Amino acid sequence: GAVVSQHPSRVICKSGTSVKIECRSLDFQATTMFWYRQFPKQSLMLMATSNEGSKATYEQGVEKDKFLINHASLTLSTLTVTSAHPEDSSFYICSAPNRDYQYFGPGTRLLVL
Amino acid sequence: GENVEQHPSTLSVQEGDSAVIKCTYSDSASNYFPWYKQELGKGPQLIIDIRSNVGEKKDQRIAVTLNKTAKHFSLHITETQPEDSAVYFCAAMLREYGNKLVFGAGTILRVKS
Repeated sequence: GAVVSQHPSRVICKSGTSVKIECRSLDFQATTMFWYRQFPKQSLMLMATSNEGSKATYEQGVEKDKFLINHASLTLSTLTVTSAHPEDSSFYICSAPNRDYQYFGPGTRLLVL
Repeated sequence: GENVEQHPSTLSVQEGDSAVIKCTYSDSASNYFPWYKQELGKGPQLIIDIRSNVGEKKDQRIAVTLNKTAKHFSLHITETQPEDSAVYFCAAMLREYGNKLVFGAGTILRVKS
């Protein structure tokens, strides 16, 4: 099956700093990618849809100025958590559709101290 | 928008027994229903899916059934093994909504040996 990678796998940062998470489709091109956030023992919540060459579409309640998304190429989308706070600590997962399926990355564990 | 409910939230079975997880969805126009298995600290892995033009699909020990009239679909795992222990998520997608997946709350499956 298709492969989606994320980097880094885990990151610890200080409150107030920014963190960038990369999502790559390794063996296929993706004009659209999705970013999810998952809190412990909870389901995946869609944050935004990343669109190659255009602005991302954010779900209701997600601050676009805090979660900056850039989809600069057909294989790379980045999520930047700006001015991170402890409540932003979570598991961030991206996915990319390929043909009729949607493939998920391994996730990035963010801990904000 | 789409809403997906999943039951039960936790399920414990004896090794070798069957496990059944059920989901209901609200939007009758949804046309794709995947099931994902998520192990601790990892991204979701697609284990089986079904489309709205099919009532049942089977892949070795795993099967999914879909009842479009009642708007529910179920995951069936037979001859469960300890390695089946994980969190399972159902999801629904409406292609016309940009391939967005709406997830159920998840089921923690524990297979006791």
